[in-house]
Amino acid sequence: DQQVKQNSPSLSVQEGRISILNCDYTNSMFDYFLWYKKYPAEGPTFLISISSIKDKNEDGRFTVFLNKSAKHLSLHIVPSQPGDSAVYFCAVGGATNKLIFGTGTLLAVQP
Amino acid sequence: KAGVTQTPRYLIKTRGQQVTLSCSPISGHRSVSWYQQTPGQGLQFLFEYFSETQRNKGNFPGRFSGRQFSNSRSEMNVSTLELGDSALYLCASSLATTSNTGELFFGEGSRLTVL
Repeated sequence: DQQVKQNSPSLSVQEGRISILNCDYTNSMFDYFLWYKKYPAEGPTFLISISSIKDKNEDGRFTVFLNKSAKHLSLHIVPSQPGDSAVYFCAVGGATNKLIFGTGTLLAVQP
Repeated sequence: KAGVTQTPRYLIKTRGQQVTLSCSPISGHRSVSWYQQTPGQGLQFLFEYFSETQRNKGNFPGRFSGRQFSNSRSEMNVSTLELGDSALYLCASSLATTSNTGELFFGEGSRLTVL
């Protein structure tokens, strides 16, 4: 049973436009929500996170939105750059150090 | 500051064999977690070690085991390998204080191919 779902396996966006990546989760008990970026042949790198007490967190071009009632998480990248092309994983966590990851979305930013 | 180091980076085994993967965390990080990444399944949590004790465990069979040493270095072992064990095995470390924020630092992974 997939507790964290990323329903779009891939997304293609033009350089300079907004990229919106989505993630849905099933358990309302999670305390924090994260996005990781992964390039080929590298491990995932932490991008941005948000705790359950907030609904928005911004870091430069990256903004994460949390809609707890809908159990929905999204990542906005504005403006998108070709170097943003990677696989993006959302992840959720609770009281322990265990993270539950989605299956990933491959973002391609076209020059 | 050196990142998380995993060895070996690539390895090929045959069914029935066993394999041991190694992970050196970031200096000062006491928590080490292991994840399995396969196409279409994302990252699946295997287990987490903290101060040489397994603190959390995922839903993997007993063929998957691990341990952590006093210097926080960790190893994971897979016995009686099956074709389905072919995957990228990722190690991640964190400070893991009582207030978790979930930020893990990943290594580049060990790519295991089982023939």
